[in-house]
Amino acid sequence: GAVVSQHPSWVICKSGTSVKIECRSLDFQATTMFWYRQFPKQSLMLMATSNEGSKATYEQGVEKDKFLINHASLTLSTLTVTSAHPEDSSFYICSASYRIYQPQHFGDGTRLSIL
Amino acid sequence: AQKVTQVQTEISVVEKEDVTLDCVYETRDTTYYLFWYKQPPSGELVFLIRRNSFDEQNEISGRYSWNFQKSTSSFNFTITASQVVDSAVYFCALSEEGSGGYQKVTFGTGTKLQVIP
Repeated sequence: GAVVSQHPSWVICKSGTSVKIECRSLDFQATTMFWYRQFPKQSLMLMATSNEGSKATYEQGVEKDKFLINHASLTLSTLTVTSAHPEDSSFYICSASYRIYQPQHFGDGTRLSIL
Repeated sequence: AQKVTQVQTEISVVEKEDVTLDCVYETRDTTYYLFWYKQPPSGELVFLIRRNSFDEQNEISGRYSWNFQKSTSSFNFTITASQVVDSAVYFCALSEEGSGGYQKVTFGTGTKLQVIP
């Protein structure tokens, strides 16, 4: 089955640090990748949709300059949380889909803790 | 605007009982897809099923079955003879074509299922 690798799985860092999270589709070409944020006991909140070779589409309320997304190839998308602060602490999940309406395949998520 | 509602926030059942998780959606599109995902305590999301808006056939996969009723905009999920390993949060999701022809997915708030041995 389709495999999506997300790295790192856990990050603890000081306030003000920038953190990069990678999302790779290992066995298929992902035309679209999605980035979600999930707070404890809550649903997934879509942050942005990333299409290979074009700028990401951000959801309302998500700061583009804060959460930088790059989708440089059909197998890799990155999310960089710039100058992270404690309120950015959350569970970030990426997913990838090879075509519209196809199921999203999720990475295992990244737990980000900002001290 | 699209919306997915899962009114059951938490359900507890005793092992071997059947349980149904409800999902109601709203959309203006005629073409859309519905999904169910499972999120066990470890956190990763597992795809369970996809249904398109033109296919109202119910589906059964082992102990899992899904009932899609377009007339009531519902896509309910039943687990038969539940097992402890079924304990997880289950998300219903709706996929439509967003602006620019890209996929836009909306997740429900999830239903936490606890199966008690």
